[in-house]
Amino acid sequence: EAGVVQSPRYKIIEKKQPVAFWCNPISGHNTLYWYLQNLGQGPELLIRYENEEAVDDSQLPKDRFSAERLKGVDSTLKIQPAELGDSAVYLCASSQQGRNTEAFFGQGTRLTVV
Amino acid sequence: GENVEQHPSTLSVQEGDSAVIKCTYSDSASNYFPWYKQELGKGPQLIIDIRSNVGEKKDQRIAVTLNKTAKHFSLHITETQPEDSAVYFCAASIWGDDKIIFGKGTRLHILP
Repeated sequence: EAGVVQSPRYKIIEKKQPVAFWCNPISGHNTLYWYLQNLGQGPELLIRYENEEAVDDSQLPKDRFSAERLKGVDSTLKIQPAELGDSAVYLCASSQQGRNTEAFFGQGTRLTVV
Repeated sequence: GENVEQHPSTLSVQEGDSAVIKCTYSDSASNYFPWYKQELGKGPQLIIDIRSNVGEKKDQRIAVTLNKTAKHFSLHITETQPEDSAVYFCAASIWGDDKIIFGKGTRLHILP
């Protein structure tokens, strides 16, 4: 079974530029998460989808961050414009809806804003 | 909302010895407690979890204990091996809510 796939693995951009991350969850997983992980910290939830509906986006900085999951499968997370403080690892995870069991994580996208 | 505290932030143990990582949570409604292991350059991976209807769960060399009254839970790794070196995260969530709150992690070093 293929795991959660994220791309790109690494991204370096200049501040004020836009950037987008892509996530393909495990087949059949209705719940999709985007987490932010700063160096030496635990993952922090940015947004959670149940199918195509964002059910929890309270931690998403909506002035510059946006996300979508149009068909309830793949998802993209966008930052525009990027700031130096956005440098971090962005993790995508998925799980089976309502089971509250294992969330499977992708390898993450390491973003460096210079 | 839920807050998860994890200690210690760094732990070094001799190979073959045991390691213990402790976490506390704030929301008494939380009833699902997974533990994740993250190796360098990889995403976190679930290693064991426990639900609030049990006090202890064991899987080979790893075990978790849960004290609902005190709102704390612990990860125990026995007979540690070099491949146990990683960052470990505890987490808490409410059954059916699917919102997982993570601790800040413990970097475990297994010394030869």
